[in-house]
Amino acid sequence: DVVLTQTPVAQPVTLGDQASISCRSSQSLVHSNGNTYLEWYLQKPGQSPQLLIYKVSNRFSGVPDRFIGSGSGSDFTLKISRVEPEDLGVYYCFQATHDPYTFGAGTKLELK
Amino acid sequence: QVKLQQSGAELVKPGASVKLSCKTSGYTFSTSYMSWFKQIPGQSIEWIGMIYAGDGGTGYNQKFKGKATLTVDTSSSTAYMDLSSLTTEDSAVYFCARLGYWGQGVMVTVSS
Repeated sequence: DVVLTQTPVAQPVTLGDQASISCRSSQSLVHSNGNTYLEWYLQKPGQSPQLLIYKVSNRFSGVPDRFIGSGSGSDFTLKISRVEPEDLGVYYCFQATHDPYTFGAGTKLELK
Repeated sequence: QVKLQQSGAELVKPGASVKLSCKTSGYTFSTSYMSWFKQIPGQSIEWIGMIYAGDGGTGYNQKFKGKATLTVDTSSSTAYMDLSSLTTEDSAVYFCARLGYWGQGVMVTVSS
């Protein structure tokens, strides 16, 4: 199975700061069709995960432009500029290129 | 708008089975895929499998073959997941999801 390694495990931030989360894959996430199916989710306590980014860098409907996804191959990053209170929670990367689809272990974005 | 409404919490005995539902609205169910996920509280998320509502074709994470069975009822735009031979390790929150839209999740507790 593809292993997604997220760092850091926890990211303490001050509101208004920029935050950056890394997701490294145990193998390339480029599909045979040329697409890279790497997504980013935010899960707040007691809630379902909410999709932020799909196919590496595309923001889902309604997602603010302070969320920026980048990367290629097996190395991906989510940047959040100007962290706001509603951005706090656990962030997961997810790959849907290789069966079985897998999630990273999560990165908790929390206040300093 | 797209909505996925899952059935209520379940308390079941070891060895029993349970059928979870995911009633959808706001999109064309019969030409869409539905995925199911498992999350033990405090842990990351696992992909169980997916079903294509058009023909009932399925794909499962090998780990959940024999445990989960996915079906659909296109007449009611509802997806189902049967979980069989339940053990305490199946106690978790289960989500249905389609293209970035997630159900609210349902807690399944396996206890005697």
